[in-house]
Amino acid sequence: EAEVAQSPRYKITEKSQAVAFWCDPISGHATLYWYRQILGQGPELLVQFQDESVVDDSQLPKDRFSAERLKGVDSTLKIQPAELGDSAMYLCASSYKTVGTNTGELFFGEGSRLTVL
Amino acid sequence: GENVEQHPSTLSVQEGDSAVIKCTYSDSASNYFPWYKQELGKGPQLIIDIRSNVGEKKDQRIAVTLNKTAKHFSLHITETQPEDSAVYFCAASPRAGKSTFGDGTTLTVKP
Repeated sequence: EAEVAQSPRYKITEKSQAVAFWCDPISGHATLYWYRQILGQGPELLVQFQDESVVDDSQLPKDRFSAERLKGVDSTLKIQPAELGDSAMYLCASSYKTVGTNTGELFFGEGSRLTVL
Repeated sequence: GENVEQHPSTLSVQEGDSAVIKCTYSDSASNYFPWYKQELGKGPQLIIDIRSNVGEKKDQRIAVTLNKTAKHFSLHITETQPEDSAVYFCAASPRAGKSTFGDGTTLTVKP
């Protein structure tokens, strides 16, 4: 069964350091999302890609967060510099989007848990 | 933007009993309402969804109901089993992909 791959699963870093997370969506899924999930809360959308283009990054703290999907396949989310409040699970998801339909279903990876000390 | 509230935050039931989780949403443009199950250490997984042109949908022991007028939808799990224990999230989406999630319900099924 196809899965969304994420790495690393766990990352511990000190504040002010740079961190990066990688995601490989399910093959053929044109839409890719990065969500942040704070402990005890639901996932919050950070950025959405359609192929290599950013569709929505309105909730991405652009002073320290960046995301790219250069070839429209895998994606990297970077935080620089990391702050204590960035400690969370970073979830990548993908979906199959057919033009003119609203499929909606998100396929999530297992996430990257970040701890900032 | 969309705001989704989910209740209760924790729910404990005996094996075999039913469990109900309720959500309300604010954006009348939302037309897609998925429910996700998240097990410890894993990402959320879709268990059932409903679109705004349908009032109820069932899949074996799981059902979802939608009241568009009142802007609320509910997840019903019958004959609960210990493996149903997990965190459940509702979400509302006014367009493809932009799902706003509730804060989750931790369901514990006691054997």
